[in-house]
Amino acid sequence: EDQVTQSPEALRLQEGESSSLNCSYTVSGLRGLFWYRQDPGKGPEFLFTLYSAGEEKEKERLKATLTKKESFLHITAPKPEDSATYLCAVQPSYNQGGKLIFGQGTELSVKP
Amino acid sequence: AAGVIQSPRHLIKEKRETATLKCYPIPRHDTVYWYQQGPGQDPQFLISFYEKMQSDKGSIPDRFSAQQFSDYHSELNMSSLELGDSALYFCASSFARTSGGETQYFGPGTRLLVL
Repeated sequence: EDQVTQSPEALRLQEGESSSLNCSYTVSGLRGLFWYRQDPGKGPEFLFTLYSAGEEKEKERLKATLTKKESFLHITAPKPEDSATYLCAVQPSYNQGGKLIFGQGTELSVKP
Repeated sequence: AAGVIQSPRHLIKEKRETATLKCYPIPRHDTVYWYQQGPGQDPQFLISFYEKMQSDKGSIPDRFSAQQFSDYHSELNMSSLELGDSALYFCASSFARTSGGETQYFGPGTRLLVL
């Protein structure tokens, strides 16, 4: 069964304290792995797409990496405005409809 | 840049009533997805359309139906509403490609409250 597990469920950091969020996945063929940021009551905001193991992408203080079993979202020197829920999702290759299977998310809180 | 538009943003209905949610995808995007997100939960896939044809179906109740029109906008019709249908409903759109995963861009959502 396809499954996405994110850890930790919640993470509290001090401003400037770097850390990583984990996304472990089990899927019958990976078409793509996606990271989104979601603020309360709003739609998920696209961050990164990763397609194959070894791939890395960066955007400002965020860096996403991918292996055959998991992905990491590294946050370097976070700021309070980085506080949000970060969602990881996979798109199975067998599914031509393109649905995303989401993890439960990591709620990040960055204190000044 | 243009984003996905959803309307209405908020909707309050009574049990057993019907509701229609609308989604306008990003221009030139040909695929639309609908997701339901309950309080404190991750988004759950409902249904998707590619070029006006249903392309996949997830955990969508039989009371719900959806379609994509010639201008690519989509509508989610919900009948016999139940209290448990209260949730955020997101529409996402993408441009289909022959290889690789298609990035889905999400709209702001419609918050449905069933009383």
